[in-house]
Amino acid sequence: ETVLTQSPGTLSLSPGERATLSCRASQHVDRYISWYQQRPGQAPRLLIYDASERAPGIPARFSGSGSGTDFTLSITDLEPEDFAVYYCQQRSKWPRTFGQGTRLDI
Amino acid sequence: EVQLVQSGGGLVRPGDSLRLSCVASGFTFSSYTMTWVRQTPEKGLEWVSSISTSSRNIYYADSVKGRFNVSRDNARNSLFLHMHSPRVEDTAVYYCGRIYAAIDFWGQGSPVTVSS
Repeated sequence: ETVLTQSPGTLSLSPGERATLSCRASQHVDRYISWYQQRPGQAPRLLIYDASERAPGIPARFSGSGSGTDFTLSITDLEPEDFAVYYCQQRSKWPRTFGQGTRLDI
Repeated sequence: EVQLVQSGGGLVRPGDSLRLSCVASGFTFSSYTMTWVRQTPEKGLEWVSSISTSSRNIYYADSVKGRFNVSRDNARNSLFLHMHSPRVEDTAVYYCGRIYAAIDFWGQGSPVTVSS
């Protein structure tokens, strides 16, 4: 299966700063990576699909990049509500797999 | 407004059966592939199963293959996950989801506890 490794495990930043989250795939997944945000007690929410496409309603401060095996989620000008856990997922191969998550802490 | 409303979670004994349901509204259910994902604190998010629009193509994670069955009723806008002979390690919060390139809408989650 395609293993997705996210780094760092925890990222401690302040409001207004920029966050850079990484997702590395164990094999080539083209651009079929999605990013989700999960706040405590809530279901995940889609932010980015196909590496760089923002989902409807997602602010422009969220952006994604990458292809092949290395992907990045960038969040500029952090807002208090951005402090959550972020997951990547691949849809290139079966079984679909998720990364283990990056916690974005204040 | 797209909504996925789940029901059917709870406590189940190992070896018994449980059915999770997910009722969709606000979109043409029959036009979308649907999926189940589960989550535990230890393993994080884990994809469980996906079913195509006509139920022709169905996929399972190895961890549930042969024990879980996914089905859908397009006339009733409903998705199901039948858990047969659940194990303690199947304890998780189960989410249904709509797929459009990614899981663009999620249900609220159904906690399932497998314990004797």
